[in-house]
Amino acid sequence: GNSVTQMEGPVTLSEEAFLTINCTYTATGYPSLFWYVQYPGEGLQLLLKATKADDKGSNKGFEATYRKETTSFHLEKGSVQVSDSAVYFCALYSGAGSYQLTFGKGTKLSVIP
Amino acid sequence: ETGVTQSPTHLIKTRGQQVTLRCSSQSGHNTVSWYQQALGQGPQFIFQYYREEENGRGNFPPRFSGLQFPNYSSELNVNALELDDSALYLCASSLGQGGGGSYNEQFFGPGTRLTVL
Repeated sequence: GNSVTQMEGPVTLSEEAFLTINCTYTATGYPSLFWYVQYPGEGLQLLLKATKADDKGSNKGFEATYRKETTSFHLEKGSVQVSDSAVYFCALYSGAGSYQLTFGKGTKLSVIP
Repeated sequence: ETGVTQSPTHLIKTRGQQVTLRCSSQSGHNTVSWYQQALGQGPQFIFQYYREEENGRGNFPPRFSGLQFPNYSSELNVNALELDDSALYLCASSLGQGGGGSYNEQFFGPGTRLTVL
């Protein structure tokens, strides 16, 4: 079945530090890949997505590249801000008769001034 | 454009009781998906409703059931509550059911926090 594995948290960084959150996946077919962000007390928001191999998704300074050969979709940001503190979820959508998103367990990021 | 809304925000029930959670989809969306997010975990797919019919189901027992109404709003019902049902329940709406290879973006509501004592 489909699954997503992302690095365990929590992750604590100083403001302006570089961020990497690792994500690998197992899926049938050719999934679309996503990063969602959940701020305290809020629902999930789509941060970025990539729908085919070698695509790079980007938004708000965050980037992730769909690597089919390593089945990975690592999230990166060059300089984090305090406002980036949230829980980040990697997810996939495999299509082909599946209607659901499959999520990783989430990584909590705290950015300190 | 109104986003996805859910009610109530918080709910406390006791073991064995029944609960109904509600979701209003984003304007123009005809598909609603429900997810359970246990503390410290990622959301788990419960089921999806498309045009008032269940369209796909995750690994949840039959005591989890749902409805979708003609205005595309939806309810999640859970019977015979167990302690492990304590979680954040998320509703997501989309335009179209997906499943055909193309992804129809799911927009999430803020969730209902259910506590079972």
